[in-house]
Amino acid sequence: QKEVEQNSGPLSVPEGAIASLNCTYSDRGSQSFFWYRQYSGKSPELIMFIYSNGDKEDGRFTAQLNKASQYVSLLIRDSQPSDSATYLCAVRGSQGNLIFGKGTKLSVKP
Amino acid sequence: GAGVSQSPSNKVTEKGKDVELRCDPISGHTALYWYRQSLGQGLEFLIYFQGNSAPDKSGLPSDRFSAERTGGSVSTLTIQRTQQEDSAVYLCASTPKVVDEQFFGPGTRLTVL
Repeated sequence: QKEVEQNSGPLSVPEGAIASLNCTYSDRGSQSFFWYRQYSGKSPELIMFIYSNGDKEDGRFTAQLNKASQYVSLLIRDSQPSDSATYLCAVRGSQGNLIFGKGTKLSVKP
Repeated sequence: GAGVSQSPSNKVTEKGKDVELRCDPISGHTALYWYRQSLGQGLEFLIYFQGNSAPDKSGLPSDRFSAERTGGSVSTLTIQRTQQEDSAVYLCASTPKVVDEQFFGPGTRLTVL
């Protein structure tokens, strides 16, 4: 049974700071990793995916993957109040389904 | 283009009643997924369709849950004899291929009284 663990937060950062969100996963064979953002009352939307060890950057977002440590993280630079949401880490399961962590709630204070 | 749509957006029902939730995926998306998000819980995978076929139904929480997909398009999730623990947001996602990004619908919020 694959599991994904996240700190539930809330994580509070001031506007303009770097927010760091972390996730660990149980299955060493996992290959595909995803970060989704979910605003309150809305459905999840994909921010980034990462398949290879190292960093992947997209605008203000950087995903980091360390397969040896079974650890994936998301950095948000220059955090904005509009980034306040729950961030969901997910790994791909055997049927192509996503196995989600419970999410970390991020609050960016103006 | 149109995204994934789900109906109804909200459903309130009495314990013991049957409910039917509908998902209309993005046109051309062959893979369709159902998830459930309970209060304070993460998203829980329920079932997956490739075309009209669901290879593995073991993710469904109980035998009161069933799902079908017809014409490779619309999918229906049916919950029979609803229980209070079935209260959750039911989300549907579709993707062109299993390895591609999943696009989520807005969800159906089910409340069982």
